[in-house]
Amino acid sequence: DSGVTQTPKHLITATGQRVTLRCSPRSGDLSVYWYQQSLDQGLQFLIQYYNGEERAKGNILERFSAQQFPDLHSELNLSSLELGDSALYFCASSVALSSNVLTFGAGSRLTVL
Amino acid sequence: EDQVTQSPEALRLQEGESSSLNCSYTVSGLRGLFWYRQDPGKGPEFLFTLYSAGEEKEKERLKATLTKKESFLHITAPKPEDSATYLCAVMNRDDKIIFGKGTRLHILP
Repeated sequence: DSGVTQTPKHLITATGQRVTLRCSPRSGDLSVYWYQQSLDQGLQFLIQYYNGEERAKGNILERFSAQQFPDLHSELNLSSLELGDSALYFCASSVALSSNVLTFGAGSRLTVL
Repeated sequence: EDQVTQSPEALRLQEGESSSLNCSYTVSGLRGLFWYRQDPGKGPEFLFTLYSAGEEKEKERLKATLTKKESFLHITAPKPEDSATYLCAVMNRDDKIIFGKGTRLHILP
């Protein structure tokens, strides 16, 4: 157990729907990162939050949004889902804003039918 | 554009057969190069950080090395439990971490 908790582990939904993925960082970590992993693209950085504020954005689609709450947990919202959004979504956390060691959760596997 | 390329995509070795995985990179202001291990159905697990050319880090049967253009992950006398996907990543001057697509390593008993 890495200490980073992601729910749900698996999610199956239909095109056009909206889902929310949740992440609780490791105790003491202030920074949360979201990554998308697909077979052909590898691990793609989506967005980073630090202590409640957005700090960096990667290749995140406009249909996707995220936030970090005062208790430091984070949610990734995916809307108007398309088949191509099917992937593993990982949350990672770190202590500092620009830490070089990320602790990853076990991921949420999203299947869009 | 910052980029990380790993080779080979997949590698099958016999137990005890040493080999190396390659990670070549182009990055604006390298602030660190990282190796992670990922087992099926799990998130990546941190292995090493390298900061400058010439640096080496070791952990059990793994040794990571860094030059100005690439990094190698050397695996000495591997065991079946070393089977996993090994991911290389770099941090650029904007503190963004970019991952490669990984090398799937399979060690046959």
